[in-house]
Amino acid sequence: EAGVVQSPRYKIIEKKQPVAFWCNPISGHNTLYWYLQNLGQGPELLIRYENEEAVDDSQLPKDRFSAERLKGVDSTLKIQPAELGDSAVYLCASSLGGSSWNEQFFGPGTRLTVL
Amino acid sequence: AQSVSQHNHHVILSEAASLELGCNYSYGGTVNLFWYVQYPGQHLQLLLKYFSGDPLVKGIKGFEAEFIKSKFSFNLRKPSVQWSDTAEYFCAVNLMNTGFQKLVFGTGTRLLVSP
Repeated sequence: EAGVVQSPRYKIIEKKQPVAFWCNPISGHNTLYWYLQNLGQGPELLIRYENEEAVDDSQLPKDRFSAERLKGVDSTLKIQPAELGDSAVYLCASSLGGSSWNEQFFGPGTRLTVL
Repeated sequence: AQSVSQHNHHVILSEAASLELGCNYSYGGTVNLFWYVQYPGQHLQLLLKYFSGDPLVKGIKGFEAEFIKSKFSFNLRKPSVQWSDTAEYFCAVNLMNTGFQKLVFGTGTRLLVSP
């Protein structure tokens, strides 16, 4: 069974440029999460989707970050414009459902460097 | 705000040494507890979890963790480490008051096992 797929794996951009990350969750997983992982820190939740609905986006900086999950499968996370402090690893995870009982499966992440 | 503390940022052990990684959380309600591991170049994966019942839980690869409610702790242990256990270990807590899984991660502990 394929795991969570993310692309690109690495991205280098200049500040003020836009950037987008893509995530394909495990087939059949209704719940999708985007996390931000700064260097030396643990992952922090940005947004959680139940199917196509964003049910928890309280940690998403909405002035520059946006996300979508059209058709409740793949998801994209966008930053526009990027700032130096956005350099981090962006992780996607999915689970069968949002219940506390469901294991989250993580993708490999996209490492963003903003110059 | 709820937080998860991992006491050791870096641990270096020789093969066959015993391991204990500390994890404490600051939340008075009901929690689920997790340990995730990230091997070099790989994605985060679940090592073990505690939901209820026996406070001593066993995970993959010989790892175990003990939930001590009175100490708000969930320390990870392994009696004899191997070189292949070199990885970064993250403790995570799910706050049960929402009914959904919203993981709060610690900062991680990098373990280096020398052969």
